Amino acid sequence: KNQVEQSPQSLIILEGKNCTLQCNYTVSPFSNLRWYKQDTGRGPVSLTIMTFSENTKSNGRYTATLDADTKQSSLHITASQLSDSASYICVVRTPISGGYNKLIFGAGTRLAVHP
Amino acid sequence: NAGVTQTPKFQVLKTGQSMTLQCAQDMNHNSMYWYRQDPGMGLRLIYYSASEGTTDKGEVPNGYNVSRLNKREFSLRLESAAPSQTSVYFCASSEGRTGELFFGEGSRLTVL
Repeated sequence: KNQVEQSPQSLIILEGKNCTLQCNYTVSPFSNLRWYKQDTGRGPVSLTIMTFSENTKSNGRYTATLDADTKQSSLHITASQLSDSASYICVVRTPISGGYNKLIFGAGTRLAVHP
Repeated sequence: NAGVTQTPKFQVLKTGQSMTLQCAQDMNHNSMYWYRQDPGMGLRLIYYSASEGTTDKGEVPNGYNVSRLNKREFSLRLESAAPSQTSVYFCASSEGRTGELFFGEGSRLTVL
């Protein structure tokens, strides 16, 4: 069964500290993996996309990794800021019949950054 | 840059009432989607429209109908609301190549 599991469910860190969020998937075949950030009361916004051939990609203080062999991805946040408080959602894209694609969503990790 | 606009942002209904959630995008995307988001669960696809004139069921279509009015607009209708439909609803559109979703701000619906 195609699934995306994220851990931890929630996380509290102090401002300025680093943290790493995990995403494990059993989705096959694989097209790409995307991390979204969802601020409270807002819609998700894409942070980064990882394709099969990419191991690491950075977007400012956010660094995503992908290990396609073990089907794991991580999102590392460096020097956290209060504005990083949000839910982070991992989404895996898989091709299906007819040339279409299906998106499999993780339940998200809720991050709270405290001063 | 409006992106994806949904209305209303909040709505309270009584069981059995009907309502329509409106969504419009100005990015010229072909594909549009309706999702619901419930606590502790990932976003679940209700209906999607791969292009103007087509609509298809997602994972949780029961109790909902959709209309792709034109390329810009995609509406979601609840004909007879039930408490189980209390949720936050998100409309999204996507560009085809990488499948990045662009979401609206969400519509919080409570059914009493």
